[in-house]
Amino acid sequence: EVQLVESGGGLVQPGGSLRLSCATSGFAFSAHFMDWVRQAPGKGLEWVGRSKNKANTYNADYAASVSDRFTISRDESNDSLYLQMNSLKTEDTAVYFCVVNINGRPDWGQGTLVTVSS
Amino acid sequence: EIVLTQSPGTLSLSPGERATLSCRASQSVSYNYLAWYQQKPGQAPRLLMYAASGRAPGIPARFSGSGSGTDFTLTITRLEPEDFAVYYCQQYGSSPVTFGQGTKVDIK
Repeated sequence: EVQLVESGGGLVQPGGSLRLSCATSGFAFSAHFMDWVRQAPGKGLEWVGRSKNKANTYNADYAASVSDRFTISRDESNDSLYLQMNSLKTEDTAVYFCVVNINGRPDWGQGTLVTVSS
Repeated sequence: EIVLTQSPGTLSLSPGERATLSCRASQSVSYNYLAWYQQKPGQAPRLLMYAASGRAPGIPARFSGSGSGTDFTLTITRLEPEDFAVYYCQQYGSSPVTFGQGTKVDIK
């Protein structure tokens, strides 16, 4: 069974940094593309970025709104995906989800809440 | 970037009625990687359909997806009380991944 568990969310001041983690199990971690998606309070779903698979050297793509501030990485030793968020803005306040696409079917974690506020 | 346009914005129906939700893409969706999600307040999105017509595990048969290329449809044959929610489509075949703005299905 695919499991994705996000952690690392919390309250941070504008301009601060936070690193989110997504612990995974139940699938071949290096073989699949993985995404970060967020949802601001009362808003729709917004894609943050994608980590391609090992065959694509884990290259990452980002939404324009975060491309110069966020970095996605992976650690094969513990099958975890990360989202390093720098220079945070109030508009980054959202629940952040990690998503894996296995054979054309997305699986989502339950999300972790990031609040950017002074 | 592929823009997804969902229609209608709100669908007001009664339990037992049929719901037809549309998702139109500005360009062809790669691999027909088009998903539908249901979301209720305070909950994470729930995957209903993937790859346009694949039903996710545990999803009732009254939900079905169809379409290819740029036009996709989610159909709920007979609405149950628990089906009143917001529905999103998503294309995940190419970066940037994009979502529709959502269709709210509410009780008439």
